[in-house]
Amino acid sequence: QTVVTQEPSLTVSPGGTVTLTCASSTGAVTSGYYPNWFQQKPGQAPRALIYSTSNKHSWTPARFSGSLLGGKAALTLSGVQPEDEAEYYCLLYYGGAQLDVFGTGTKVTVL
Amino acid sequence: QVQLQESGPGLVKPSQTLSLTCTVSGGSISSGGYYWSWIRQHPGKGLEWIGYIYYSGSTYYNPSLKSRVTISVDTSKNQFSLKLSSVTAADTAVYYCAGGSSFTRRFDYWGQGTLVTVSS
Repeated sequence: QTVVTQEPSLTVSPGGTVTLTCASSTGAVTSGYYPNWFQQKPGQAPRALIYSTSNKHSWTPARFSGSLLGGKAALTLSGVQPEDEAEYYCLLYYGGAQLDVFGTGTKVTVL
Repeated sequence: QVQLQESGPGLVKPSQTLSLTCTVSGGSISSGGYYWSWIRQHPGKGLEWIGYIYYSGSTYYNPSLKSRVTISVDTSKNQFSLKLSSVTAADTAVYYCAGGSSFTRRFDYWGQGTLVTVSS
């Protein structure tokens, strides 16, 4: 069974920078996994932030950026705002099996 | 602006079939290159991909649910649907529908989610 692992929780100060990562149990994550990143606040549906590793949606704030880092997908929040406190999920596409797997989620606390 | 809205029973009895519909507004479900997904979230837990249907009609399902899941499209109503058979309490979750461009594997659009409880 494929597992996609994220940090359970991270804490960042307002104005600071934090990087979340997304690792695959099958090996290094590449652009071929089309990493997506989503933000979810309590009681709300997830909101798409990043697709295909580093592409932003029209509504994605500039302080969010996606990349590949050390064999993982990464989401960096720069100049963190209080409203960025949320759960963040990555999603990887396993083309050979035609399936998508969500990461375990990272709870970001702004403190 | 494309909007999605889930609908269906909020309570399903064990062993029965869970049926949900997602209505797409502001765009055509038949748009070339799009795929339409179902995702669920158990209470207090993370997201779980259930499956999707491409604009071509091809379907792909989570292997862990494959034997019980069917996703279909009704283009005349601009809707797509989820059927999950032989449900148990473990299928209690918030169910989301989502859609986006399959070419770039985007999930731009999400419904608000609907809680389905499996209980007798």
